Amino acid sequence: EVQLVESGGGLVQPGGSLRVSCAASGFTVTNNYMTWVRQAPGKGLEWVSIIHTGTNIYYADSVRGRFTSSRDDSKNTVHLQMNSLRPEDTAIYYCARDSVMAYWGQGILVTVSS
Amino acid sequence: DIVMTQSPDSLAVSLGERATINCKSSQSLLYSSDNKNYLAWYQQKPGQPPKLLIYWASTRESGVPDRFSGSGSGTDFTLTISSLQAEDVAVYYCQHYYGNIYSFGQGTKLEIK
Repeated sequence: EVQLVESGGGLVQPGGSLRVSCAASGFTVTNNYMTWVRQAPGKGLEWVSIIHTGTNIYYADSVRGRFTSSRDDSKNTVHLQMNSLRPEDTAIYYCARDSVMAYWGQGILVTVSS
Repeated sequence: DIVMTQSPDSLAVSLGERATINCKSSQSLLYSSDNKNYLAWYQQKPGQPPKLLIYWASTRESGVPDRFSGSGSGTDFTLTISSLQAEDVAVYYCQHYYGNIYSFGQGTKLEIK
């Protein structure tokens, strides 16, 4: 059974950093594209980043240069390192499998506030 | 980057009636090499992650009721619910996956009239 479990969320001050992780089971992250999507409170979905099966990684304009996606094949986990955080980055962060996302985690809340 | 625009923003339909949601992309999502439209539809209920309904613009995901259908090509797409059920109350999103930078529409909130 495919499962995705996010962790690492919480409260961080503006300008700070946080890393959220997504542990996968039931499949191998090495062999699949992995996507990050976020949703600000009461707002719509925003595509954030995708890691391809090779080394290619792509980002939305809103996070490029501040966020870094990575993959830890040994732990079957993907990470989203978020730096220079802003209040507008406050959102539930979801990881999902593939570019067409049939499998999603339950999401993890990141709050950027002083 | 491709901008996705949905209409309407909200929609109220009577039970058993048809619901239609539109999605327009700022450039064509039809890839000439495989003649496929790189467009998906999702349903999201409160407190839940989104659920994939449709991909390749018109292919229903396994387990999705056949009252859900997708159509369109190029820049204009439609999600149709043929006979609205109470459990279909949700927010619906289109998403393109053409190229390397993807995006969602702003969402359409579907309610019962």
